[in-house]
Amino acid sequence: EAQVTQNPRYLITVTGKKLTVTCSQNMNHEYMSWYRQDPGLGLRQIYYSMNVEVTDKGDVPEGYKVSRKEKRNFPLILESPSPNQTSLYFCASSLETALGDLDTQYFGPGTRLTVL
Amino acid sequence: GENVEQHPSTLSVQEGDSAVIKCTYSDSASNYFPWYKQELGKGPQLIIDIRSNVGEKKDQRIAVTLNKTAKHFSLHITETQPEDSAVYFCAARALGSYKLIFGSGTRLLVRP
Repeated sequence: EAQVTQNPRYLITVTGKKLTVTCSQNMNHEYMSWYRQDPGLGLRQIYYSMNVEVTDKGDVPEGYKVSRKEKRNFPLILESPSPNQTSLYFCASSLETALGDLDTQYFGPGTRLTVL
Repeated sequence: GENVEQHPSTLSVQEGDSAVIKCTYSDSASNYFPWYKQELGKGPQLIIDIRSNVGEKKDQRIAVTLNKTAKHFSLHITETQPEDSAVYFCAARALGSYKLIFGSGTRLLVRP
């Protein structure tokens, strides 16, 4: 089954304790992205990756890191989490079309993070 | 940069009635406008999209219209059913851009 998986689904942590949220897709998509969802703000893009070893900042990258060492995986790293990073996080992936445009974005199930 | 505004934030309709959600965007270079449905505890799922060379697109009970001159696009759901209850997001992206900008979402409640 074609899907985007995220782990963990729920995480409660404390300020300053490094954490990683994993994201994996089995559709051989070139493009992957991380979003955070907060009430009244919709989804805001954190980072995205156009292919292996190619990443770029989205609209809210501060406090986050990403890496793309393999095509299928795109982990989100919080080196020193703070309470304002408490949010619902989504990973997404998409195929790049022959014309260089992006096809439908498929989203993972989400990771609810609480930073105390 | 691109900014997408979505209205209303909540919408309650009687089963069988129509629902309309509207979005406006700021970047005239935007050419791709998807709509996503998010059910409780799940990630957003694409329900319909439209590109700027098309004015309207329909898929059964769902339709999207685009007015490029006014920079707005709308989602229309006819004959609403309780299972249509969810949060709906509009989004916009410019040609060649890897950034998808989302609206703030509309919580739709369909009353039986």
